[in-house]
This record gives sequence, C-alpha cells and structure tokens, in this order.
Amino acid sequence: DSGVTQTPKHLITATGQRVTLRCSPRSGDLSVYWYQQSLDQGLQFLIQYYNGEERAKGNILERFSAQQFPDLHSELNLSSLELGDSALYFCASSTQRTANTEAFFGQGTRLTVV
Amino acid sequence: AQKITQTQPGMFVQEKEAVTLDCTYDTSDPSYGLFWYKQPSSGEMIFLIYQGSYDQQNATEGRYSLNFQKARKSANLVISASQLGDSAMYFCAMRASNTGKLIFGQGTTLQVKP
Repeated sequence: DSGVTQTPKHLITATGQRVTLRCSPRSGDLSVYWYQQSLDQGLQFLIQYYNGEERAKGNILERFSAQQFPDLHSELNLSSLELGDSALYFCASSTQRTANTEAFFGQGTRLTVV
Repeated sequence: AQKITQTQPGMFVQEKEAVTLDCTYDTSDPSYGLFWYKQPSSGEMIFLIYQGSYDQQNATEGRYSLNFQKARKSANLVISASQLGDSAMYFCAMRASNTGKLIFGQGTTLQVKP
C-alpha cells in the first residue's frame, strides 16, 4: 500500500459528461501530481500542485482542471468528456516541491467514456 | 527536451534467471533522478528503485539493481532470480531537478516462464 488513495477506482460515464477524480496524498506529502495513462499516449504528466498552489503543468487539456485543498487532497475535474479521454488516471504524491528520491502512486482511477 | 527510451516492448525470462530491462535517457540538466516502476495487470504503479545523477554507486533494492552508466545515458534495471510474480509492465522514468514531474518511457512487458 503506497499510502496514496484515489477514488473512485472505476468510473463509466457518457460523452459530454463531467466527472471528478479524487486523490488523498500520503500523510505529510505536500506535492500532488496527476498523470494520464492511455494506450496511444502512454503515461503523461498532467499537472502538479504543491501545498495548494499549481506548480507545473503538462499536457493537460483545457477541458480538464485540478485543485488542491487546504487538507492537501486534490481533485481532477474532467468535463465535456470524449471517447478519447478513456484512460487510467493516476495521482502521485511526494514530500518535496521538486526533486525527490521517491514518488508514490495511488491505485488509479480507470475512466471509461461510452 | 527530456526523453526516456525503452526499446524492448516485451521480454521473456525463465524463472530464477536474471533479466536486464533497458532504459536510455536524454537530458541537458546536470541534476536529475531516474526511477523504475512496476505495473502489474491490476494496474497500480509500484515504485522499485531510484538513482540520482550524482550518486557514485549503483542503486540496489533487494533483487533489483540499477546499472547506471552516466556517459552512455543508460539506466538499465536488473532483476535477479526472477519470480513468477515479476511478470508485469516495467517503466523507466526521469525527473529533472527543477521540476517534480516524471517523464516515462513506453514500458517493457516482462513475462516470467515457469
């Protein structure tokens, strides 16, 4: 058990809908990262938050947004969903803002858009 | 730009044998970290081992060791005494010092034969 908790584990929704994925980092970790894993794109970094503030942005679509709350949990919001958004979405956490020797991943949320 | 390359889409190894999974990287940053993760069929990302760019010795964690050759920009994962439970997808990843995000390779699927 990595200590990073993601909910829900599975999500099936229709095109055009909006969903929210939730992540609770390991106790004491201030950084939260979101990644998307799809068959055609592989594992891609989406966005990072550190202690409530956006720290880095990757290949995140404008239809997607995220935030980190004062209790350090994070949510990834995906809207106007398309079939191509079907993927495994991971959250990871670490203690530091930048370089660190470890990054622990949650079990992922498998999103299926039908 | 930073890049991770894993050239072996799939590998087979006999149980109890050692296996090497290849990883090469490209970066102009003098300080970076290299990671290996295991992703079994259940989907979770399991952290295996870390190597810092300034580390003098190769990292080891139990049956996992990282063969770090800085001049060749390679960070191969060596798994000794393979077990059936090692069958999984393995990802090599890099983190630059000025950012917390990980850049992943395309992964190598390892199958351990009894």
